[in-house]
Amino acid sequence: DAGITQSPRHKVTETGTPVTLRCHQTENHRYMYWYRQDPGHGLRLIHYSYGVKDTDKGEVSDGYSVSRSKTEDFLLTLESATSSQTSVYFCAISESTMALTSNEKLFFGSGTQLSVL
Amino acid sequence: AQSVAQPEDQVNVAEGNPLTVKCTYSVSGNPYLFWYVQYPNRGLQFLLKYITGDNLVKGSYGFEAEFNKSQTSFHLKKPSALVSDSALYFCAVRGASGGSYIPTFGRGTSLIVHP
Repeated sequence: DAGITQSPRHKVTETGTPVTLRCHQTENHRYMYWYRQDPGHGLRLIHYSYGVKDTDKGEVSDGYSVSRSKTEDFLLTLESATSSQTSVYFCAISESTMALTSNEKLFFGSGTQLSVL
Repeated sequence: AQSVAQPEDQVNVAEGNPLTVKCTYSVSGNPYLFWYVQYPNRGLQFLLKYITGDNLVKGSYGFEAEFNKSQTSFHLKKPSALVSDSALYFCAVRGASGGSYIPTFGRGTSLIVHP
């Protein structure tokens, strides 16, 4: 398995509080992603990073921010958590986006279950 | 915009029987197509991908997928299902040129293999 660690694995918080989820990789991969998984919606991209301090929005970025100060760490922050952000959050990494190589694939962490009450 | 449809929320099959999990896609230009599997309480794992070449792609755990350009489909198949194949399966697509290099995922199909 690719070296991806998500923390915490489970989090219960209250509406309006800030929450930060951490993704740490030991593969030195350039690309990192945050997804949320919800029943009936599958996986939706929140934010992604294509290098240190280089990030961009995905399709469901409202209410979320990210930071990447080091290659190995990608942080997802909910500035003021809402109940609609209750979800399972997955971090993913990829080495390359060059599909003609064998390396274009995403490696996923084990997920963080976040409950906002 | 690119999109993926997995028309079945759940597929049930008896162990030893062939299985098919359906996927259709929409993308500008040529597609890059992927299948991932998710076991309970785990992240997604890569199964296989189609980039170019042979329309039948072989992947991990005995799975294969058939690319059909005219039907814009990329169905996942296995000749003989195992109980251990029970999991959630995701199809993903991205365009080969232009636009985002990040794949768009379908909603997932739950595969249940009965003993």
